[in-house]
Order: sequence, then structure tokens, then C-alpha cells
Amino acid sequence: EIVLTQSPGTLSLSPGERATLSCRASQSVSNTYLAWYQDKPGQAPRLLINGASSRATGIPDRFSGSGSGTDFTLTISRLEPEDFAMYYCQQYGSSPPTFGQGTKLEIK
Amino acid sequence: DVQLVESGGGLVQFGGSLRLSCAASGFAVNSNYMSWVRQAPGKGLEWVSVIYSGGSTYYADSVKGRFTISRDNSKNTVYLQMNSLRDEDTAVYHCARTKMVRGVYYFDYWGQGTLVTVSS
Repeated sequence: EIVLTQSPGTLSLSPGERATLSCRASQSVSNTYLAWYQDKPGQAPRLLINGASSRATGIPDRFSGSGSGTDFTLTISRLEPEDFAMYYCQQYGSSPPTFGQGTKLEIK
Repeated sequence: DVQLVESGGGLVQFGGSLRLSCAASGFAVNSNYMSWVRQAPGKGLEWVSVIYSGGSTYYADSVKGRFTISRDNSKNTVYLQMNSLRDEDTAVYHCARTKMVRGVYYFDYWGQGTLVTVSS
């Protein structure tokens, strides 16, 4: 199965700054079938990005995804207070679907 | 609006059983694929099981033969029957509406989850 490694484990930034989160796969992800999710305590996880770069319904345009092959990036252009959360990547290019271990985005 | 609400979690002994429920609103579960995804304490997310709109079911190797996914269309609810529970099944269990692409899944709506704790 494909192992996804996210970095950094924790990212400390201030509101208004730009966040760059990385997701590296142990082998190439077919057709850029890579999703990103946001997870906050006590809330349901939320799909942000699918197909590596397509924003899900209702997701603000400050969230963007890029990448292909084994290297993918989630960028948040200008952090809002509500963006501080855990972020997970997930590949669905090969079975079984697998997730990264997450990046915690915290307020500096 | 799409909403998923899980229930049925709790403390269960090693080897015991538990049934989780996921009540959906805003869409019909029998017209969609539905999955269970779990997160063990301090660990990442793990896909557990899926039920297709046509009724076919599939499982992760870690739960095959012990867990059963099903649904009740009249209640618009999906279930996960968990038997022969082990310590490593301790996790928050989320249900999620599922999109399939070339036989693999991603998840467009999730519930908050229900905690299952297996005690030995």
C-alpha cells in the first residue's frame, strides 16, 4: 500500500501568513488522485481538495493544492483564525486508500 | 444540508461486540457509497469498510471477517457491526459519504465520530 508522509508535523504561523503543507508518497499516486482534509476538535473532518488541485464545494479560494507523482502541497495563502487545525492528505490512486499522519497548524 | 451523526460507541471488553449507527440527512444513503473510517489514539486515519449503492460491501484486511457494514434505507442509516473486538480496534469511528474513482475512494462528507474503547 502507498505510505503518505506529511511534513512538517507541526507548523506554527500567525494569522495573515502563508502556510505550505507537504505530502510525500512512497510511490507515484495515479492520476493525481490525492485529497486534503481539515480536522478540528469536536467537528467533522472536511474535504478541502480532491484530484490534487480541485477545491471542494464551499472551500475558500485561499486554499489551493498542487503536485503530482509523489509530491503534493496544500497552500493556504493568508491564514484566517479558523484555519488553525489538523490537515490530512489521502491518496485514492491505488487500493487501499491511505492517509498521511497529519500536520498540525497552530497559532504562533 | 448533508449531515452525518454517529452513535453507539462506548466501552467494550476484549472479544466483545458493538454496533455503530450513522444517521444521514440531506441525501439518501442507498443512492450513495458510504464508508466507515477510524482513527486510533495518536495514529492516523484508516479506512475500514464501504457499502456501495448496489449493496456490495468491502473491508480492510484488519477487520475482514469480524466487522459487517449494512444499511436500513427506511431509516436512512448505515451500521457497523463489530465482533471479536481487539485492543487495536480502539478508535474514533467516523462514517463518511464516499466517492469512488476507478475502484478507490475519497470522502466528501464526514460525521463527527463515535469513540470505541476496547478494554482488556
